Formats: sequence, structure tokens, C-alpha cells
Amino acid sequence: AQKITQTQPGMFVQEKEAVTLDCTYDTSDPSYGLFWYKQPSSGEMIFLIYQGSYDQQNATEGRYSLNFQKARKSANLVISASQLGDSAMYFCAMREEVGSGSQGNLIFGKGTKLSVKP
Amino acid sequence: DTEVTQTPKHLVMGMTNKKSLKCEQHMGHRAMYWYKQKAKKPPELMFVYSYEKLSINESVPSRFSPECPNSSLLNLHLHALQPEDSALYLCASSQVPGDSIYEKLFFGSGTQLSVL
Repeated sequence: AQKITQTQPGMFVQEKEAVTLDCTYDTSDPSYGLFWYKQPSSGEMIFLIYQGSYDQQNATEGRYSLNFQKARKSANLVISASQLGDSAMYFCAMREEVGSGSQGNLIFGKGTKLSVKP
Repeated sequence: DTEVTQTPKHLVMGMTNKKSLKCEQHMGHRAMYWYKQKAKKPPELMFVYSYEKLSINESVPSRFSPECPNSSLLNLHLHALQPEDSALYLCASSQVPGDSIYEKLFFGSGTQLSVL
């Protein structure tokens, strides 16, 4: 079974509008971290936002916010006021605690390609 | 700009060549990583170095040979590669080895490798 599922291979959004990129995860570990990375065509993976499993509040970083619904095991990324420079591949990732079969590595989803239209 | 620097940005090599990829970070991070990424796929972990020692090798073929000469440098030596090894090779670093769920990775821009 996939640990991280991103069901949207591609998404389009109009410039200045908000967009939600979906991510669901699968773990039985109570302690884990969730990450979102952006990968433009240049190749670099850029860290955007982080949510810990024990964090009570949803994470926010500028125009990025994470809609964390623990019971549903979802960690959707919300980008507000989309810009042309937001066009990129977006990866959701999870890190479990070391032990119980996990080496604590970052596990990536398959990604969502976001295209922002002018 | 990324604080993890990878060279070269592009590399074309034949199957009999020997080449090396280089990665450098000056953030004082003590864990460094090599990932391989095929087109339109997520990155796949290859190797992890913790405190300059190889801690994880994800069953990578021996034609890939990592080296960590010091805490700031990470090399990937390539020898007798196959065309299917063509991919983007990403280097990453983190402050401490990945034993914390909070630890985030900082990535370089990658080396786009083509094996002919």
C-alpha cells in the first residue's frame, strides 16, 4: 500500500485564485511529520511547509497553508493568490519515527503538476 | 538560491566512462543524501551519510559509489553506467540524521545525467 497518495496528477488554476492540492497518508505510527516540497522545472526541491502529527494548529507559511485533518489522514496544501511562478510539481512527503520498521526516511507521493494560467 | 550546491548541472557520459557528481553544503548539516529522480516520478533515496559515515544504502548497484570526504562534501562516483541510469540526481542535507520527524531536507538543483 502506498504511504503517500496524491490523486491529482495535474491541476490548473487561474492566477490570483486559491488552489488546494490533495495528499492522504497511511501510517499506524502516532508520531510523524508531513512535508510539502515544490519542484520547478529547474529541478531543485524547495521546502514549503511542515506539519507534525502532534501539532494542534494547521501550519501556515506566507501564501501556503496546510489543511491537516488527522482523523482523515489528509494533509492538503492550500496556495492562496496563485502566481505564475507557482507553476511547478508539488510533492507531499512523510517521515515516520525511526523504529517499528521505519528508518525515518522521507517518503514522497507521486506529485501533482500545478499550472497557473494568466 | 539553494544552499546546497551540485556540480555539474548536466552530464553526458558513455557506458565505459568514469565520472563523479559533487555536492557541497556550508550549513553545518551532519546528514547528507543522494536521491535519484526519473522524469515525472518522485525522488528515490539512494544513500544516506550520517556524521560522514554511510548509514543507509538502499540496495543501489555497485556502479554507484558514494563518498563523504568531510562534513561539507558528498560525492557520487559513477562507473560503467547503463542507459536506464539516466535521471536527475539530487543531493540533500539535513541538520541532523533523520531520527527526528521534524527534520527537513534541503535539496540542491540536481545533476541531469544522460548515459549513452
